[in-house]
Amino acid sequence: DADVTQTPRNRITKTGKRIMLECSQTKGHDRMYWYRQDPGLGLRLIYYSFDVKDINKGEISDGYSVSRQAQAKFSLSLESAIPNQTALYFCATSGGGPPREQFFGPGTRLTVL
Amino acid sequence: AQSVTQLDSQVPVFEEAPVELRCNYSSSVSVYLFWYVQYPNQGLQLLLKYLSGSTLVESINGFEAEFNKSQTSFHLRKPSVHISDTAEYFCAVSAGRDTPLVFGKGTRLSVIA
Repeated sequence: DADVTQTPRNRITKTGKRIMLECSQTKGHDRMYWYRQDPGLGLRLIYYSFDVKDINKGEISDGYSVSRQAQAKFSLSLESAIPNQTALYFCATSGGGPPREQFFGPGTRLTVL
Repeated sequence: AQSVTQLDSQVPVFEEAPVELRCNYSSSVSVYLFWYVQYPNQGLQLLLKYLSGSTLVESINGFEAEFNKSQTSFHLRKPSVHISDTAEYFCAVSAGRDTPLVFGKGTRLSVIA
């Protein structure tokens, strides 16, 4: 079984809809991250969490929110989806100490029409 | 704050030829450096990492990278590429105790038969 799982793997939705992307991990890591990937822009950090009570904004948090329901679960929400949020979304985890190598999920491809 | 620059967005190369993917970083503190690979329609996988010690690090599939502190570089090389190396490669830097990885924008390596 995969260490980091994401659901759904693909989602098509309409402008204005609320969308939740879910991430679960079995690695026992405290730290979890959400990134989006766009062609030519690489990975950009949306939000990250170092433990259950910790939530931090990343580079591009506007239009997104997150919830850390448990050590193993970290959800990303788009409150009112817009077309420029069409992207590939990745969840990642890491341990607390250095070197903080990150382990990635398989990604969720989101299309907003 | 740290940053990563991948100097080439696309690198085409013939099969069995050598390749170098360039990565430069900026940071005011000591860093850990990573190369990740993303095969088509997959998530990111760690290829190799520099933590400390020997400045030359190797992966199991023939890639190597050299940490050069004076030039703030961590270029990725392979002496002879295969078709299966076609993928996108991301350089990433970690600096500071509680800072997430910062990724470059990626280099798309295309190996031509």
